[in-house]
Amino acid sequence: QVQLQESGPGLVKPSETLSLTCTVSGASISSYFWSWIRQPAEKGLEWIGRIYTGGSTNYNPSLKSRVTMSVDTSKNQFSLKVSSVTAADTAVYYCARVLARYNYFDYWGQGALVTVSS
Amino acid sequence: QTVVTQEPSFSVSPGGTVTLTCGLSSGSVSTSYYPSWYQQTPGQAPRTLIFNTNIRSYGVPDRFSGSILGNKAALTITGAQTDDECDYYCVLYMGNGNSVFGGGTKLTVL
Repeated sequence: QVQLQESGPGLVKPSETLSLTCTVSGASISSYFWSWIRQPAEKGLEWIGRIYTGGSTNYNPSLKSRVTMSVDTSKNQFSLKVSSVTAADTAVYYCARVLARYNYFDYWGQGALVTVSS
Repeated sequence: QTVVTQEPSFSVSPGGTVTLTCGLSSGSVSTSYYPSWYQQTPGQAPRTLIFNTNIRSYGVPDRFSGSILGNKAALTITGAQTDDECDYYCVLYMGNGNSVFGGGTKLTVL
């Protein structure tokens, strides 16, 4: 059974960088795409981007200038950084596996709430 | 940027049938967009229902079905149950590695 678990600081100050890690268990992280998705309170889901274990990335154009994703195959983890955060970046952040053959999210993490506040 | 459209809310009677749709602000949805559907109850992570237009994810009851109706992707729930009352999201693959979520539909069963 594939499981994903997000981890990272729950509180980030405005203008600083949000950092989250997703740890994958039950399967190798290799040879898959992995995505980050977020959801502000009482709002819809927003795709942030995806990374392949080879390192190639695709980002949401609206966030591209502030987002960086990376992968660490030795730890079976992938990570998200969002720079210059504001209150608008306050959200539950989900990591998910992408099944590239059909371009959909087949496994999801439980989500991690990140609040941007001074 | 392309906007993926969904009905903000929908209501269905218990035992009834409802079809939620997923469209584009410009253009038609086809199977080339690999439509997928996700169900989300409050406080929980989304659950995958349908992928590649009409393939049910493992363990999803067959009263959930996906299709293309006209120029939109569609999720049909047949024999709606009170447990089906939650939010539903579609996702379209835009090519070049990018995906876009619809705004979600809040389904009420009453």
